[in-house]
Amino acid sequence: QKEVEQNSGPLSVPEGAIASLNCTYSDRVSQSFFWYRQYSGKSPELIMSIYSNGDKEDGRFTAQLNKASQYVSLLIRDSQPSDSATYLCAVGDYNQGGKLIFGQGTELSVKP
Amino acid sequence: DTEVTQTPKHLVMGMTNKKSLKCEQHMGHRAMYWYKQKAKKPPELMFVYSYEKLSINESVPSRFSPECPNSSLLNLHLHALQPEDSALYLCASSPQVVLPTNYYEQYFGPGTRLTVT
Repeated sequence: QKEVEQNSGPLSVPEGAIASLNCTYSDRVSQSFFWYRQYSGKSPELIMSIYSNGDKEDGRFTAQLNKASQYVSLLIRDSQPSDSATYLCAVGDYNQGGKLIFGQGTELSVKP
Repeated sequence: DTEVTQTPKHLVMGMTNKKSLKCEQHMGHRAMYWYKQKAKKPPELMFVYSYEKLSINESVPSRFSPECPNSSLLNLHLHALQPEDSALYLCASSPQVVLPTNYYEQYFGPGTRLTVT
């Protein structure tokens, strides 16, 4: 059974701080990794995708991938109250027809 | 433009009703997905259509029937549902073309909030 694990939270950080969200996955052959943000009552929104080891930066967001450790993380710099949401880690496998395995999500709360 | 649209936004139906959910994308994506999401849980995959053919059915009960009339449209036909089928139903699409960067990036629509009474 392929698994993706995240701390469920809630993770609480003060406004302006760095929020660090972590994810581990069990299938070594996974090739694609995604972070989705989901506000309460809304649908998931793709905010980052990463395919190779290292860091990928987009604005205040940085995704980090370490395939040897089967670990992917999302850093949010200068956290804002509007970043308060559930963050879903998803792992894809080309051999599974593009099927994504989702983690349970981490709830982030940014306090003003 | 990464827009996936879904109608209706909300749907209330009785257990004997037949209804359909609709999903549309105009991004030229060749894969489309149906997910079911319960509160505080991640999306749960139901069906995948790739190049208009059903490629994955995650052992979904037959009271859910998917249809892909063309590459832009995806329907989910509902019949004789149970109260436990009440959930947010999400449609997603992905490019599915031979490019390494965004091959399986999935973009979600806003969802249909379904209540079965």
